[in-house]
Amino acid sequence: QQPVQSPQAVILREGEDAVINCSSSKALYSVHWYRQKHGEAPVFLMILLKGGEQKGHDKISASFNEKKQQSSLYLTASQLSYSGTYFCGTDSQGAQKLVFGQGTRLTINP
Amino acid sequence: GAGVSQSPSNKVTEKGKDVELRCDPISGHTALYWYRQRLGQGLEFLIYFQGNSAPDKSGLPSDRFSAERTGESVSTLTIQRTQQEDSAVYLCASSLVWIRGSGELFFGEGSRLTVL
Repeated sequence: QQPVQSPQAVILREGEDAVINCSSSKALYSVHWYRQKHGEAPVFLMILLKGGEQKGHDKISASFNEKKQQSSLYLTASQLSYSGTYFCGTDSQGAQKLVFGQGTRLTINP
Repeated sequence: GAGVSQSPSNKVTEKGKDVELRCDPISGHTALYWYRQRLGQGLEFLIYFQGNSAPDKSGLPSDRFSAERTGESVSTLTIQRTQQEDSAVYLCASSLVWIRGSGELFFGEGSRLTVL
């Protein structure tokens, strides 16, 4: 039931792009993305809902392929502040709760 | 309050003792989650409360773990006879609505539990 994230870790230089993927074996109602900085609580980035609706920050871009139960988070022109661990969470049909993947650690170097 | 409040922020206990962790969600939030995060690991689902419905306890790792919530207010996570493997940060999150996963989760700062 837990979604699978890839890659597990990414190291970028400032200004480079990254894509983080999230996949589930279950049909999904929604996919959530959160970012957690070291020693801090996770912070909401985006929700992608079945049917196409999205809610989130303007500077964040993501996609949701409902047929494949997959989502991708796109980080373009990365900034040092983007560093952290990114978690996808999924609410699958029949589950009625949010379950998170293991996370993707993103490091941005100057 | 302005955000989700958790207490204590840090708790050190001896193996075998019981601990209680408290979560005060944002006022009006009907959904409340508890997650466990071991050092360097992901967010492990423990329990989910939605309004007055029966909670989803499917993530509780053993019968030493229990949680309560009174209506749409404070929740308490209790760990009995603590073991060293219980050491982790326990995160609480609340959401205004939870219809097919449509609500944003607001997380507290967590309670760091260390079992000696």
